[in-house]
Amino acid sequence: DAGVTQSPTHLIKTRGQHVTLRCSPISGHKSVSWYQQVLGQGPQFIFQYYEKEERGRGNFPDRFSARQFPNYSSELNVNALLLGDSALYLCASTLRGQGVNNEQFFGPGTRLTVL
Amino acid sequence: GENVEQHPSTLSVQEGDSAVIKCTYSDSASNYFPWYKQELGKGPQLIIDIRSNVGEKKDQRIAVTLNKTAKHFSLHITETQPEDSAVYFCAAKKATDSWGKLQFGAGTQVVVTP
Repeated sequence: DAGVTQSPTHLIKTRGQHVTLRCSPISGHKSVSWYQQVLGQGPQFIFQYYEKEERGRGNFPDRFSARQFPNYSSELNVNALLLGDSALYLCASTLRGQGVNNEQFFGPGTRLTVL
Repeated sequence: GENVEQHPSTLSVQEGDSAVIKCTYSDSASNYFPWYKQELGKGPQLIIDIRSNVGEKKDQRIAVTLNKTAKHFSLHITETQPEDSAVYFCAAKKATDSWGKLQFGAGTQVVVTP
């Protein structure tokens, strides 16, 4: 079975542009979370979606938005890109939104470089 | 909010020796503590986790211990092998937070030399 998949693998943008990152969860998983991982640091939580609704939000500006589709895939959108948005963006899927044994499985990430 | 501190930031061990990574958390409401291994160019991979109702958990060469009173938990890797070389992250989740909201430590770069 395929794990969590993300596209694109790498992306280069310039300041002020907009970017859309995509994620497909493990088959059967209904919850997707997004994290930002700056080089040399641990992942920072951005959003969680479950059953197409936002269930959690981290401390990120409104330039960051996301949505989840009926097939449980998800998009992360970032507007007005800043140099500081350069990072590895990780998607993680879980079977449900809450509950016991609800481990998170991460995708390989999208490396975003803002010039 | 929750704050997770992780030590050391780098750890070099000889093949066959043991490695220990320690993490502390600030919020006593945290009840789930996973450990992830991240290899270069890949996403974090869950290697073991522990919940607050358990003090220790083992899986082959890997073990995790939890001290709720002191609010710290540790990862133990025995008989290290070169393929254990990676960055390891501890994380914590509060019972009241959404399941996706893990608070990660800064990571430990483990290097196992043959």
